[in-house]
Amino acid sequence: DAGVIQSPRHEVTEMGQEVTLRCKPISGHDYLFWYRQTMMRGLELLIYFNNNVPIDDSGMPEDRFSAKMPNASFSTLKIQPSEPRDSAVYFCASSRGSGTENEKLFFGSGTQLSVL
Amino acid sequence: GENVEQHPSTLSVQEGDSAVIKCTYSDSASNYFPWYKQELGKRPQLIIDIRSNVGEKKDQRIAVTLNKTAKHFSLHITETQPEDSAVYFCAFGGYNKLIFGAGTRLAVHP
Repeated sequence: DAGVIQSPRHEVTEMGQEVTLRCKPISGHDYLFWYRQTMMRGLELLIYFNNNVPIDDSGMPEDRFSAKMPNASFSTLKIQPSEPRDSAVYFCASSRGSGTENEKLFFGSGTQLSVL
Repeated sequence: GENVEQHPSTLSVQEGDSAVIKCTYSDSASNYFPWYKQELGKRPQLIIDIRSNVGEKKDQRIAVTLNKTAKHFSLHITETQPEDSAVYFCAFGGYNKLIFGAGTRLAVHP
């Protein structure tokens, strides 16, 4: 398996523009997570899905952020409009779910977002 | 809310020494405690994990201990090598959601 695949690897945009980050989880993994990593706040869980359904979005910073999972192999995280404080590395991760060995979380390579 | 405190934030050791990183968590219902290693510019990668029904687990030079009563768990790295230099994150969870500590930057000097 190729692992969790994210695109783009790097995104540079101007304040006010819409940004869309993409993720393909590992095949067979029922859980998909979006994390944001910054020096100040570390790894923050933004939202996670189970079987394509959003379960907990309490970490989404504000209404400018939205996430979707239209099918088992694809998810997007959208920021509209983007702001300089959104600059961070955004990681997508997936797991099989609960139970022994199933909770292991596998991360994608991340998207380095810079909002100018 | 759910949170985990991780100490120290930075750790510098000589090659061959041991390194210990400790985390204290808030949610007594948690039953899964993984540790991740993140090298510069790369993704976090799972190095070892432990479940709440086990007090200690070892994998070669790495070990994790768990004290559920005190709500803390620790990562132990023995015979450290320069390639162990990275940021290490503890995490805790259950019901599929993982909460991460702030990270420990470990530097191993030759």
